[in-house]
Amino acid sequence: KAGVTQTPRYLIKTRGQQVTLSCSPISGHRSVSWYQQTPGQGLQFLFEYFSETQRNKGNFPGRFSGRQFSNSRSEMNVSTLELGDSALYLCASSRSKGAYEQYFGPGTRLTVT
Amino acid sequence: GENVEQHPSTLSVQEGDSAVIKCTYSDSASNYFPWYKQELGKRPQLIIDIRSNVGEKKDQRIAVTLNKTAKHFSLHITETQPEDSAVYFCAATEGSQGNLIFGKGTKLSVKP
Repeated sequence: KAGVTQTPRYLIKTRGQQVTLSCSPISGHRSVSWYQQTPGQGLQFLFEYFSETQRNKGNFPGRFSGRQFSNSRSEMNVSTLELGDSALYLCASSRSKGAYEQYFGPGTRLTVT
Repeated sequence: GENVEQHPSTLSVQEGDSAVIKCTYSDSASNYFPWYKQELGKRPQLIIDIRSNVGEKKDQRIAVTLNKTAKHFSLHITETQPEDSAVYFCAATEGSQGNLIFGKGTKLSVKP
């Protein structure tokens, strides 16, 4: 089975711009979670989608949003980028919602200048 | 909400020694506790997990123990090898059906 894929792998944006990141889960997986990883804060939960619905949301401002499509692929969007948004954005897929094994993609490295 | 504390933040051992990483959680309803290994520049990789109805689980040189009463769980790596060097993250579910909350990670260095 192919693993979780994310595109693009690297992005450089300037403050004020917006960005869209994409995540394709493992075939058959219906849940996608997004995390922000920074050296100081570790892995922080952004949101989780299951069956095109957002189940949970972490403590991030409304500039961070996401969606999930009928084929379980997910996108996250960050508007009005700030320097502090520079991070590795990871998505993880699992078979279903709740306490199931999550498998991570390679991440998208976002740099905001 | 759930809070996961992980200790130590760095750990250095000699090849062949054992390594132990400990995590505590705050939500008594948490029921799933995975451990991830992240090598430099790579994605986190699930290495072992445990559910709240089990006290211990082993997979070759790796074991995880869970103490529900004390709300802590630990990762044990025996006969460490240089390729075990990585950052290890513990996590716990928020409630019984919630998202994962991660600890801040432990950087393990195994010296040959």
